[in-house]
Amino acid sequence: GQNIDQPTEMTATEGAIVQINCTYQTSGFNGLFWYQQHAGEAPTFLSYNVLDGLEEKGRFSSFLSRSKGYSYLLLKELQMKDSASYLCAFMDSNYQLIWGAGTKLIIKP
Amino acid sequence: GAVVSQHPSWVICKSGTSVKIECRSLDFQATTMFWYRQFPKQSLMLMATSNEGSKATYEQGVEKDKFLINHASLTLSTLTVTSAHPEDSSFYICSARMAGWDTGELFFGEGSRLTVL
Repeated sequence: GQNIDQPTEMTATEGAIVQINCTYQTSGFNGLFWYQQHAGEAPTFLSYNVLDGLEEKGRFSSFLSRSKGYSYLLLKELQMKDSASYLCAFMDSNYQLIWGAGTKLIIKP
Repeated sequence: GAVVSQHPSWVICKSGTSVKIECRSLDFQATTMFWYRQFPKQSLMLMATSNEGSKATYEQGVEKDKFLINHASLTLSTLTVTSAHPEDSSFYICSARMAGWDTGELFFGEGSRLTVL
């Protein structure tokens, strides 16, 4: 079967670093995505990993380990505007996106 | 970057009426568009996959006679919620995949918030 799991909610302090984990199980895999979604808005694309390793893009980095079915999104130098839900999703063998429930990140001053 | 426009952003309607939501790719051709529904504090739920010129593929549990999807051109897909009821009140979001994509990135519309009275 297929499933994907990420924490429901996390809290971090402005200026700090936070890591949001995502684990998944699937027989067919065509990459893992991270999206950011502010309340009441549509998701925006953050990253796409299809090979193992770390992809860095400014303050945000995403890591993938295909053998472990594991990814994380790393946010550095947190800003208040980073308060949002972060969705991970993997693409299966049919090129369909399977979405996690999202992690609500709360940033405190 | 690629832009997907969704209209209307907000709609309030009476129970029993039908509502049409449009999803347009403004600067690229989208061979595939996806329609999602999102209830408060929940993740995106894929409703259907729409391919230009063919019938949409609906996810299990989604009534295709109630949620009519038409993808008549490479830049436009429409979702019609027929005979809407209060339980259909939700945030509806479309996304589009660019023809010939190789990054897997989906471009999302702004979303349409439907309230059925």
